[in-house]
Amino acid sequence: NAGVIQTPRHKVTGKGQEATLWCEPISGHSAVFWYRQTIVQGLEFLTYFRNQAPIDDSGMPKERFSAQMPNQSHSTLKIQSTQPQDSAVYLCASSLDTYEQYFGPGTRLTVL
Amino acid sequence: TQTVSQSDAHVTVFEGDSVELRCNYSYGGSIYLSWYIQHHGHGLQFLLKYYSGNPVVQGVNGFEAEFSKSDSSFHLRKASVHWSDSAVYFCAVSAAGTGSNRLTFGKGTKFSLIP
Repeated sequence: NAGVIQTPRHKVTGKGQEATLWCEPISGHSAVFWYRQTIVQGLEFLTYFRNQAPIDDSGMPKERFSAQMPNQSHSTLKIQSTQPQDSAVYLCASSLDTYEQYFGPGTRLTVL
Repeated sequence: TQTVSQSDAHVTVFEGDSVELRCNYSYGGSIYLSWYIQHHGHGLQFLLKYYSGNPVVQGVNGFEAEFSKSDSSFHLRKASVHWSDSAVYFCAVSAAGTGSNRLTFGKGTKFSLIP
């Protein structure tokens, strides 16, 4: 079991560019979660899929952020027109739709 | 809305000492509580959880936590710490029965050992 896989591990973008982050959940897990981690805000929930369907996106910024789960083996988080304040570590987690979640190593996004 | 408070930003002890990392929460309904550990440069790793039953729960690597409804707390303890325990520890809560299993995290406690 490789655990949750996130790619890339590091991404640097220029202000205004688009960033797409990938997550491959643990095989058999029905739920996928996205969180964002910064020094100032800590860990923030972004969005959550169950069986590929969006369940809770209450943490997603209203503009520029979108997430999809086109199949059971991967989810993407897309940030359009990236801004310096989007710089953070983006964490993906998967679970058997329980409160015990398994986290990937994260993608460190730096917006210059 | 549930909230989590970890009052200690940093805790430092000697190897072999015991440690308690504090977590208090606020929520009016049934709540699911858990602790996660994050080593530098890595993702979070699940340690233990509580929802109901025995208020003292055991986790991996000798960790345990005790739930107290009266104090709205879920403190994490270890009797004898090791260098490998140095990490940031996050307390997390989730409101039960809402249809969403999202976690709300505290700010974390950085735990380190005195060399």
